[in-house]
Amino acid sequence: DQQVKQNSPSLSVQEGRISILNCDYTNSMFDYFLWYKKYPAEGPTFLISISSIKDKNEDGRFTVFLNKSAKHLSLHIVPSQPGDSAVYFCAASTTDSWGKLQFGAGTQVVVTP
Amino acid sequence: EPEVTQTPSHQVTQMGQEVILRCVPISNHLYFYWYRQILGQKVEFLVSFYNNEISEKSEIFDDQFSVERPDGSNFTLKIRSTKLEDSAMYFCASSTSGGEQFFGPGTRLTVL
Repeated sequence: DQQVKQNSPSLSVQEGRISILNCDYTNSMFDYFLWYKKYPAEGPTFLISISSIKDKNEDGRFTVFLNKSAKHLSLHIVPSQPGDSAVYFCAASTTDSWGKLQFGAGTQVVVTP
Repeated sequence: EPEVTQTPSHQVTQMGQEVILRCVPISNHLYFYWYRQILGQKVEFLVSFYNNEISEKSEIFDDQFSVERPDGSNFTLKIRSTKLEDSAMYFCASSTSGGEQFFGPGTRLTVL
């Protein structure tokens, strides 16, 4: 079941620069999208979400963009900080199954000094 | 800041044994979930629970699995007869309504 895909398993970025994480989905019924961050030995931590009625949502250093026609969303982190080094998961749900989050495989981000 | 807690952090069991994984959701949350992540794989939805009953379950959540909210604070996942392939990290989550779910730190289940 590959309804949510994160095709980049890893991303290395310099401190202070922009991190761009990408996520694609195949289910056109998805109408709510979330990004989570996960450190080793911890559970996923909610970062930011976006509803399908919007195309952008911003919260501090984090901005999520949604392109419904392309079934694509991205997370921008500006500026990147060493503490941002973690695995980032994209997740999606539908109105009918809003509690059932479907996760992508994750992207490991490493922020270098 | 309120958080979801899970116990134990690591559970080792023999194949065929019953295990109970425990979670204390955030106190004012009404919706509860279990997910699992097999090593190297995606986080997978198992079950959602609201108003003392299962709202939705995945194909993984077969008759060997059950959930319960035995009192006002705990939320448990029971696996009746564990198999080797049940070895995974199990995450509990809770939410106030639809929207962001808050996850616990997970229980690592190892079935030998």
